[in-house]
Amino acid sequence: DGGITQSPKYLFRKEGQNVTLSCEQNLNHDAMYWYRQDPGQGLRLIYYSQIVNDFQKGDIAEGYSVSREKKESFPLTVTSAQKNPTAFYLCASTNRDRGYEQYFGPGTRLTVT
Amino acid sequence: QKEVEQNSGPLSVPEGAIASLNCTYSDRGSQSFFWYRQYSGKSPELIMFIYSNGDKEDGRFTAQLNKASQYVSLLIRDSQPSDSATYLCAVKDSSYKLIFGSGTRLLVRP
Repeated sequence: DGGITQSPKYLFRKEGQNVTLSCEQNLNHDAMYWYRQDPGQGLRLIYYSQIVNDFQKGDIAEGYSVSREKKESFPLTVTSAQKNPTAFYLCASTNRDRGYEQYFGPGTRLTVT
Repeated sequence: QKEVEQNSGPLSVPEGAIASLNCTYSDRGSQSFFWYRQYSGKSPELIMFIYSNGDKEDGRFTAQLNKASQYVSLLIRDSQPSDSATYLCAVKDSSYKLIFGSGTRLLVRP
């Protein structure tokens, strides 16, 4: 069963702690993306990666970091430098040869208090 | 600044009616256009994509694209209460990124 998995579904952290969100896909997609969604808002791009060992900053990269060591995996670290980390985090992937339709994982809801 | 604009709604239609959702975009170089449905608390689900001017139909859904007017729309025929959700318009520009609108909330009244 092909798809994108994100874990955990819900995550609670204290302010000042770094936290890493997992994103794995078995669709053999080249490109992967991280978005943030705040209540009543659209999706804002944090980071994206077109190929292994390469990634680019999106519109709101400050306070976040990523790695792309394997094609299947694109973890996102929310650092203590991120001022307002509480949000719904969405991972997506796409096959660049097929038109760039992005498919989303189920998301991780992060709450920082 | 590349922008994708949608009316936030809510757009309220009776069951069985046609729901019409609209989206405008600012980048004339945009190549591909997508509609996602997002239920409350869930992740977006791709329901339609369109690359060429004109209409594209898939079941009860029709996407319409007019590149000259920089306008893309989604029609939902025979609307059902289960169609009640937020619909996100996304536009692929000349890079590898999608630019998302903030979404239109659709409410289908039984």
